[in-house]
Amino acid sequence: QKEVEQNSGPLSVPEGAIASLNCTYSDRVSQSFFWYRQYSGKSPELIMSIYSNGDKEDGRFTAQLNKASQYVSLLIRDSQPSDSATYLCAVTTRNTDKLIFGTGTRLQVFP
Amino acid sequence: GAVVSQHPSWVICKSGTSVKIECRSLDFQATTMFWYRQFPKQSLMLMATSNEGSKATYEQGVEKDKFLINHASLTLSTLTVTSAHPEDSSFYICSADNDREGVTDTQYFGPGTRLTVL
Repeated sequence: QKEVEQNSGPLSVPEGAIASLNCTYSDRVSQSFFWYRQYSGKSPELIMSIYSNGDKEDGRFTAQLNKASQYVSLLIRDSQPSDSATYLCAVTTRNTDKLIFGTGTRLQVFP
Repeated sequence: GAVVSQHPSWVICKSGTSVKIECRSLDFQATTMFWYRQFPKQSLMLMATSNEGSKATYEQGVEKDKFLINHASLTLSTLTVTSAHPEDSSFYICSADNDREGVTDTQYFGPGTRLTVL
C-alpha cells in the first residue's frame, strides 16, 4: 500500500462547479497535511495546510481532515479554468520533516 | 513572504560536465532544505535533505558522490550534479523549511531548474 494515495484523474468539472479532490494516507502518526498545486512544467505551489480534524477554509479552497479515517480532501468552489492543474497531497509524520507526496490528481476545469 | 529562488532556471550541458544549482530562501532562514527531482509525467522524488552546517541525508538509491549538496548558510543550499549524463536530464526542485514556523513542517518550493544533458 502506498503511503499517500490519490486518484490520478483526470477529474473534469465545468466552470463554476465544486471540484472535490481526495487523499488517503497509511501512517496513523501523520501530523501535518498539505495540498500543493502544480501547473505543467512548474514547481509545486502551496495551497493549504491543515493540522487538526475538521475543515479549514481559505477563499475558494476548503481542506478537510479526518484522522480517524486517515483521509484529507480539498474542495475548490466556483472552479475556474485557471484551476486546471495537478493537485498534490502531502503528509509529514512526527518522526521526520520529510514530505510524503501522493502521485497527484489532474484537475481539468472546462468553460 | 516565504520566497525561494533557484538559479539557473534552465541549463544545457555536455555529457561529463558538472552543473551547480543554487537554492536560496530570500526572506526567511532555513536550517533545512530539500532537493527533489521530477521526470516528465511523474511525481516528485525526494533526493536528499540538506541541513545547514552538516552533511546532507540522501534517500535510498541516490548517489551522494554524484549529487553533491552543500548547505553553507541558513539561506543557501547548492546541488552539484557531477559528471552529468543524459539520464540525469530532469527537473530539479528545491524546497525550504521556514525556521520561524516551528513544527508546521511547511515547505516552500523554488521555481525549479530544468537540466538537459546532451
